[in-house]
Formats: sequence, structure tokens, C-alpha cells
Amino acid sequence: RKEVEQDPGPFNVPEGATVAFNCTYSNSASQSFFWYRQDCRKEPKLLMSVYSSGNEDGRFTAQLNRASQYISLLIRDSKLSDSATYLCVVKPFWGYQKVTFGTGTKLQVIP
Amino acid sequence: GAGVSQSPSNKVTEKGKDVELRCDPISGHTALYWYRQSLGQGLEFLIYFQGNSAPDKSGLPSDRFSAERTGGSVSTLTIQRTQQEDSAVYLCASSLGPEGRSPLANTGELFFGEGSRLTVL
Repeated sequence: RKEVEQDPGPFNVPEGATVAFNCTYSNSASQSFFWYRQDCRKEPKLLMSVYSSGNEDGRFTAQLNRASQYISLLIRDSKLSDSATYLCVVKPFWGYQKVTFGTGTKLQVIP
Repeated sequence: GAGVSQSPSNKVTEKGKDVELRCDPISGHTALYWYRQSLGQGLEFLIYFQGNSAPDKSGLPSDRFSAERTGGSVSTLTIQRTQQEDSAVYLCASSLGPEGRSPLANTGELFFGEGSRLTVL
């Protein structure tokens, strides 16, 4: 089983739609979780951290389910500019920084 | 600029040649990572440096790959006797380093360079 698994998509959604991605992780000792965004032929950039209590940043909501070992990203009112690949990121231990990226979920927002 | 700098941005080489890729991390960042991304694929972890600790080389795909980090700053990834399957974008990232137990003390965000695109003919 891969350390971090994501549905590669693509998810094709109309503008204004709500879309959600899940990401599962295999190491129950994982402590830190993030969503990164990668535009085509660009480097990944941090979108948001994922906290145990869940967190929201504008149209984006991230949640963590430790019991089922997955994190989710919800995007409301999708914009054309949201089209990108969304990468799930997991760190296993406090203080130990090996970072594992999922293969990413591709989102295409259609006019 | 204050970001992660990588060079060369593009490298075309012949099969069997050696290549060196350079990464200059953000000043003050103690952690440095190398990843590889093939076309349409995810990020493949290669190696991780943290301060003066022994690097985590568990992701290096073969003994043709090696990396060093001099003076805790600039890093060089070397690929010997390149093969066509080595063609990919090689991404370097840096971060502040080990975070404390509070998740808010240090987000641990990785800052990526723009990558070095390697093409092996």
C-alpha cells in the first residue's frame, strides 16, 4: 500500500460547483498534513495546512479524520483559476521532516 | 530573490553522460529536499538533508544518484551515466527544519525551486 494515496482524477466541474478530494495515508503515526497546489509545469506551493479540528480559508476547507486515516479538501464556488493539481502531503513524526507527497488530484474547472 | 534557486533550468544530455544539478535554498533553512517528477506523475522523494545530520538517502533510485550539501547550504545532485529513464524535472525544496510539538510553531512549509528539467537523449 502506498504511503499516501489520491484519486488522480481528472475532476471536471463547472464554475461555481463544489468539489471535494480525499487522500488516504497508511502510517497511523503521521502527525502533520498539508494540501499543496501545483499548476501545470510549475512547482508545488502550499495551499493550506490541515489541523485536527479542521480549518477553513475562504472557499477552501480542509479536514482530518484520524480514525479512518484520511484528509479531505473541499472547494466551494469553484473558479476557473482553481484548475490545478492538488497534492496531499504527510509528515510522519514531529521533528522528523521526511515529507511524502501523494501523486495529486487534477481539477479542471469548466466555464 | 529570496526563494529557492535551481540551476540549470533545462539540461539536455546524451545517454551515459554525468550531470550535476544545483540547489541554493532559502537562507536560514536547515532542511533541504530533492524530488523527481516525471511527466504527468507525482513527486518522487529522492533525498533529504537536515542540518548536520546524516541525510536520508532512502529515495535514491540507484547508486548512479548521489547528492551532497556543502556547509549546510547549497546542494548538488549528481547523476552518473545518465539513462533515458532519468529524464524528469528535478525539484529542490527547503524548509525551516524540525518543528516543535505545536503545529503552529512552524508550519513546516516546503518552498520549492522552479526545478531543473533534465532530458536524456
